[in-house]
Amino acid sequence: GENVEQHPSTLSVQEGDSAVIKCTYSDSASNYFPWYKQELGKRPQLIIDIRSNVGEKKDQRIAVTLNKTAKHFSLHITETQPEDSAVYFCAAGRWDEKLVFGKGTKLTVNP
Amino acid sequence: DAGVIQSPRHEVTEMGQEVTLRCKPISGHNSLFWYRQTMMRGLELLIYFNNNVPIDDSGMPEDRFSAKMPNASFSTLKIQPSEPRDSAVYFCASNIGDRGALNTEAFFGQGTRLTVV
Repeated sequence: GENVEQHPSTLSVQEGDSAVIKCTYSDSASNYFPWYKQELGKRPQLIIDIRSNVGEKKDQRIAVTLNKTAKHFSLHITETQPEDSAVYFCAAGRWDEKLVFGKGTKLTVNP
Repeated sequence: DAGVIQSPRHEVTEMGQEVTLRCKPISGHNSLFWYRQTMMRGLELLIYFNNNVPIDDSGMPEDRFSAKMPNASFSTLKIQPSEPRDSAVYFCASNIGDRGALNTEAFFGQGTRLTVV
């Protein structure tokens, strides 16, 4: 089955800096890669997703890149703000099978 | 729509007791997922249903765990008997995905924080 590794587990940046979170996956047939943000004490919420027919997707300050050959994908947050502080989860799966989540990255943006 | 609704928000119970968690998915969604979140293991999928039918329960940890979806608007996750290691946050999520196209945005409920003492 699919196995997803996520790094780093914690990340601390200064406000305005960029943050990058990386994930690797094991199943070459996986073709759906969402990212979820979970603020303290709240539910996970989708912030961006990418399918395997696309190499990069951007939405304002966040972007996701996918390297199918290397089986890794990354979340990029530019111009970080304190409200970006949260736990971020990546996930991978085939479009018709269950998702497997990474263990999460706790991002802290220091003012 | 109010989103995915879970109850209770918090549950404290004694070891050995039966616990029932409840979930109301978003109307019109075809798939429902039960997740367990802990610091050690992260977000784990326990079971998911499609059109009220259990499709994959390989994540259910033991026979003490069971889940049902009697209709499109209600699901339960039951633990009997409960143990301290079952303490976690349990999330229910739903999406419009269907067999053959399961993976679309999943909407999570607020979660149930379960503490077994």
